[in-house]
Amino acid sequence: QSVLTQSPSASGTPGQGVTISCSGSSSNIGRNTVNWYQQLPGTAPKLLIYSNSQRPSGVPDRFSGSKSGTSASLAISGLQSEDEADYYCAAWDDSLKGVVFGGGTKLTVL
Amino acid sequence: QLQLQESGPGLVKPSETLSLTCTVSGGSISSSVYYWGWIRQPPGKGLEWIGSIYYSGDTYYNPSLKSQVTISVGTSKNQFSLRLSSVTAADTAVYYCARSRAGATLDYWGQGTLVTVSS
Repeated sequence: QSVLTQSPSASGTPGQGVTISCSGSSSNIGRNTVNWYQQLPGTAPKLLIYSNSQRPSGVPDRFSGSKSGTSASLAISGLQSEDEADYYCAAWDDSLKGVVFGGGTKLTVL
Repeated sequence: QLQLQESGPGLVKPSETLSLTCTVSGGSISSSVYYWGWIRQPPGKGLEWIGSIYYSGDTYYNPSLKSQVTISVGTSKNQFSLRLSSVTAADTAVYYCARSRAGATLDYWGQGTLVTVSS
């Protein structure tokens, strides 16, 4: 069981928006920044959002992140078929002194 | 452009030690800015952080794996390594090496290597 909690699945149609949530606790999301990773089928994860809401160079502005208290969200607007992937949240946990991941959300573009 | 590449045996017998090396090109693992770590993903499952090492040699391990894990920096090449002892079938996974900034910001990843634990 993962330290951070994500819904296992999400879906949307092309052009729509979708939000993926990530719930944690005071020792991880409550005290530290959240990062999001995108894993396309058969590939390594890729950093999508860091420091709660920052996009690395090359990540489209259709992807945005936010954090409030012990929860975080990843929003994807204008869904495209190539967004179909697994999405993971992650944060440093001060109690465990390590990186903790969510269980992942599988996004299906219908 | 920074690149990371995992290497090592794809098959390990139960109770033996899994050993992997990550070779970094396009940057130095001696940088004081970054940490270098390992993450694994069992087939069809999610990501699990194994641990990280700083250029000084300081290490940080997943508490659930701490008794099995050793991460070290290579002495003569731009490499760092993972050793996981007393493996079982539950350690079968794709193993990734990655660079991280502070916290959980893993900004560069290797392509991953599948390690199967089986007799």
